[in-house]
This record gives sequence, C-alpha cells and structure tokens, in this order.
Amino acid sequence: IAGITQAPTSQILAAGRRMTLRCTQDMRHNAMYWYRQDLGLGLRLIHYSNTAGTTGKGEVPDGYSVSRANTDDFPLTLASAVPSQTSVYFCASSTGTENTEAFFGQGTRLTVV
Amino acid sequence: GQNIDQPTEMTATEGAIVQINCTYQTSGFNGLFWYQQHAGEAPTFLSYNVLDGLEEKGRFSSFLSRSKGYSYLLLKELQMKDSASYLCAVRDSNYQLIWGAGTKLIIKP
Repeated sequence: IAGITQAPTSQILAAGRRMTLRCTQDMRHNAMYWYRQDLGLGLRLIHYSNTAGTTGKGEVPDGYSVSRANTDDFPLTLASAVPSQTSVYFCASSTGTENTEAFFGQGTRLTVV
Repeated sequence: GQNIDQPTEMTATEGAIVQINCTYQTSGFNGLFWYQQHAGEAPTFLSYNVLDGLEEKGRFSSFLSRSKGYSYLLLKELQMKDSASYLCAVRDSNYQLIWGAGTKLIIKP
C-alpha cells in the first residue's frame, strides 16, 4: 500500500442496504476525512477524525457513521442507503498540522438504486 | 454562512496564461489551498497561502489578499494536460476545509 487506498472503486447498491466504504492510509497521518463530491457542489465533509479514537461530524453527517479504531483505517458506513447518497466519496488524510495539505484516495463511486 | 465562489468554467489556449479567481467568506481564516482534479480522479495539492502575497511554483502561482477575501491561481505556458478542475479551499476557524465547487478549465490547441 502506498498513500491512501479506498475500496471498492465503484458499487451499485440497492436502497435500504447497509454498506461500508473502506479507507486505509500508510502515511501515519493523524487526521482523516470523508467527503462526498456531487456535480456542481464543492467537496462536502461528512465525518472526520483528528486522531485515532476520536471522530467528529462534518457538514453532512446524517445517514453515515464512522469509526477510528487505529491510525490507519477510517471506514464509512451507510446504515440504510437512500438514492440521495448516490455520489463520489473521497477519503483523505493529513498530518493534522495547520499548514499541511490533505492527500486523497482515488474515490468510490456509489450508486444507490 | 460560509461561502467559496469560483467561476464554473473557463477556456484558454495552449501556451497562454489563465487566472482562476476565488473569493471567500468564512468564519475565520487559517489558510487557503488550491487543488487540481482531473476528470474521474482524486484532487491533488497545488499550493497553499496563509500570508498575503504571491507564491510561485514553476508554471503555477497563487495569490492571496486576506483583507479582500480573494485569491487567484495563475497558470502560465498552458499545456493540454492542464485541462482539469481547479478547487479552491479555505481552512476556517475550526481548522476544517471549506471547498468551492471548482473551476473546470478547458485548454484548446
């Protein structure tokens, strides 16, 4: 693994089903983030974690949950998917210090039907 | 509310110069970032400004005026591979990134 990896790359999901998007980084970054990107809108923060063991809600957290059991992994779970959750999901990480950039995974394209 | 404004789309010619503007209204300011995103790919970091003035990195430069809530990204000697979306993001008082919708730059030969 080099950098930050997301799985799956894409998924078609039936409404009402539960789904976990996986995110793993090997850079030992403290902070991790989940964003969704929709056409015509900026990246919107769903949940974040400043360090292992802590999580926080972003701008659009409803319908999503996260956990941060260790430094490397930050899974995002949709408990009961709805069509409005159709989007491209990006996981990102950073060292957490204020002047450093975030590194992004390659994204997960999720379609809820 | 917090707001980041960028033009939706711009067109420029290969070899030319283009300036992409970004204006912001956020609760606090702890730096401004520019990212490049090719279609179907992840955003990648281009530049960071926290103090007023110009930061230069090769063909790319970024300018910040905190008093005006304004930044621009300047791309020189445009190449076809520069066709991408350019995202402006501001780190607010809670150290969260607020993102603009991005500017799609189309380069024509």
